[in-house]
Amino acid sequence: EAGVAQSPRYKIIEKRQSVAFWCNPISGHATLYWYQQILGQGPKLLIQFQNNGVVDDSQLPKDRFSAERLKGVDSTLKIQPAKLEDSAVYLCASSLRGTYNEQFFGPGTRLTVL
Amino acid sequence: TQLLEQSPQFLSIQEGENLTVYCNSSSVFSSLQWYRQEPGEGPVLLVTVVTGGEVKKLKRLTFQFGDARKDSSLHITAAQTGDTGLYLCAGEPRAGSYQLTFGKGTKLSVIP
Repeated sequence: EAGVAQSPRYKIIEKRQSVAFWCNPISGHATLYWYQQILGQGPKLLIQFQNNGVVDDSQLPKDRFSAERLKGVDSTLKIQPAKLEDSAVYLCASSLRGTYNEQFFGPGTRLTVL
Repeated sequence: TQLLEQSPQFLSIQEGENLTVYCNSSSVFSSLQWYRQEPGEGPVLLVTVVTGGEVKKLKRLTFQFGDARKDSSLHITAAQTGDTGLYLCAGEPRAGSYQLTFGKGTKLSVIP
């Protein structure tokens, strides 16, 4: 079974530029999550999708972050414009409803904002 | 917001030693999970505990969920270099929310 795929793996941009990350979850997983993991901290949930609908985006900085999951499969997370404090690893995870919320994570995208 | 505090933050031990890391909260969680994360990779689920007082064993790793479902511990017996990594606990605040609150993790280094 293929795991969660993310791209790119690394991205370096200057502040005020835009960036987009892509995630393809495990086939059949209806729930998709985007997390932000700052160095030395645990993952922080940004947004949760159930199929193509948003379940929770309360911690997403909506003035600069946006996410979509068209067709309920893969998803993109965008930052526009980026700030220095956005430097982090962005993790995508998916889960199959009906389990004890076992989440499967992708390898993450490491973003550096200069 | 329900917070999970993990201790110690860093732990460096010799191969063959035993260790315990802790995950504590003032809030009740419907379930709690432990993940291990290696550099450059996403977290990988080790175990899920659901019932207060539950103990689960995974080879040399023993996980315990507190009776009140507010805390958990992970004990590793005879640590190996392959155990090196960041250990994260994560709790589901409400059953059926399909959301997790993560602690900051314990960074474990096992020295040969």
